[in-house]
Amino acid sequence: KAGVTQTPRYLIKTRGQQVTLSCSPISGHRSVSWYQQTPGQGLQFLFEYFSETQRNKGNFPGRFSGRQFSNSRSEMNVSTLELGDSALYLCASSLASQPGATNEKLFFGSGTQLSVL
Amino acid sequence: AQSVTQPDIHITVSEGASLELRCNYSYGATPYLFWYVQSPGQGLQLLLKYFSGDTLVQGIKGFEAEFKRSQSSFNLRKPSVHWSDAAEYFCAVGVYNFNKFYFGSGTKLNVKP
Repeated sequence: KAGVTQTPRYLIKTRGQQVTLSCSPISGHRSVSWYQQTPGQGLQFLFEYFSETQRNKGNFPGRFSGRQFSNSRSEMNVSTLELGDSALYLCASSLASQPGATNEKLFFGSGTQLSVL
Repeated sequence: AQSVTQPDIHITVSEGASLELRCNYSYGATPYLFWYVQSPGQGLQLLLKYFSGDTLVQGIKGFEAEFKRSQSSFNLRKPSVHWSDAAEYFCAVGVYNFNKFYFGSGTKLNVKP
């Protein structure tokens, strides 16, 4: 069974540009979450999608947006890039709809390393 | 508000020595607690999780963690560290019914030969 796939692996952009990151979850997983990871900050929750609907959102500005398609694949978009957006963006998928379920856990992709110059 | 604190940014232990990584959480309800490990250039892998029941949980790779409600802690332990355990470790709290997780800032583990 293939794992969570994120593309591209690396991205270099300049300030003011926009970027789209892609995530393909494990087959059968309907929930996809996005996290931003920066040194010293750990992982910060961006948003979570389930069945094409955004269920949860973290405390990020509106420049960060996402969507999920009917096949559960998800994209994340960042507009008007800033230097501080440089980070590793991780996508995670899960099978169950609630974290209380006994089979609930997040499966992470390897991430997209975004550098903003 | 929910939060997770990992007070140790870096820890160095000798191979074969015991290990304890600290995690404290702040959460108003019964927490769902997790430990993940991240190797360089990789995503995160689940080591273990606590939902309810026995407060000492066993995970993969010989790790265990103990939930202590009175101390709001969920420390990760391993009796004998291997060089391959060098990685970054993240503690997380899951918010029930929202599929949302709060992660600590991580602890980087170095293992001396």
